[in-house]
Amino acid sequence: GQQVMQIPQYQHVQEGEDFTTYCNSSTTLSNIQWYKQRPGGHPVFLIQLVKSGEVKKQKRLTFQFGEAKKNSSLHITATQTTDVGTYFCAGKPSGSRLTFGEGTQLTVNP
Amino acid sequence: DGGITQSPKYLFRKEGQNVTLSCEQNLNHDAMYWYRQDPGQGLRLIYYSQIVNDFQKGDIAEGYSVSREKKESFPLTVTSAQKNPTAFYLCASSIDRTYEQYFGPGTRLTVT
Repeated sequence: GQQVMQIPQYQHVQEGEDFTTYCNSSTTLSNIQWYKQRPGGHPVFLIQLVKSGEVKKQKRLTFQFGEAKKNSSLHITATQTTDVGTYFCAGKPSGSRLTFGEGTQLTVNP
Repeated sequence: DGGITQSPKYLFRKEGQNVTLSCEQNLNHDAMYWYRQDPGQGLRLIYYSQIVNDFQKGDIAEGYSVSREKKESFPLTVTSAQKNPTAFYLCASSIDRTYEQYFGPGTRLTVT
């Protein structure tokens, strides 16, 4: 079946350092979504990317969708303690359902 | 307030008992989903429904059952056949399967 792989599984950074998580699919995606889950909370939708090569920014967060629409990344510049949580990508192939990656758990040391 | 509610937040059951988790949404969404999350793990899809009176199995449907008699409600029953039911259960909804999903606060089920 369709799989969405996400790396790394864990990332520990010092406050102020940058952070990147990567998402890779075995099949071409019609769109990719990113979610954030705070510790003890539930996933919250961040953004959706649809176009090949698309780049979107939300303050310190930069989201990219690969040219082949099989990979995506989320980059956080100058992390803050409020960025702590697990970041999930979710990819949707055409005609199929959304599939979540395993997530990257980010911890930020103050 | 529009949103998704799940109740209860914490649920404790004895092994061998069936238990039903509630999920209600007032977002007028057609699609609803149930996920299971184990500690430090990702989201695994149990069942989903794209329309009333219709639902499909996800990746880990064995030991679970659902119903979708109303658009607003998508209850999940964890049966005694589920080998390892202790987990965090998340319900979600979306306008349809193309759009982003909105998650409820989740139910933490402990079976001893």
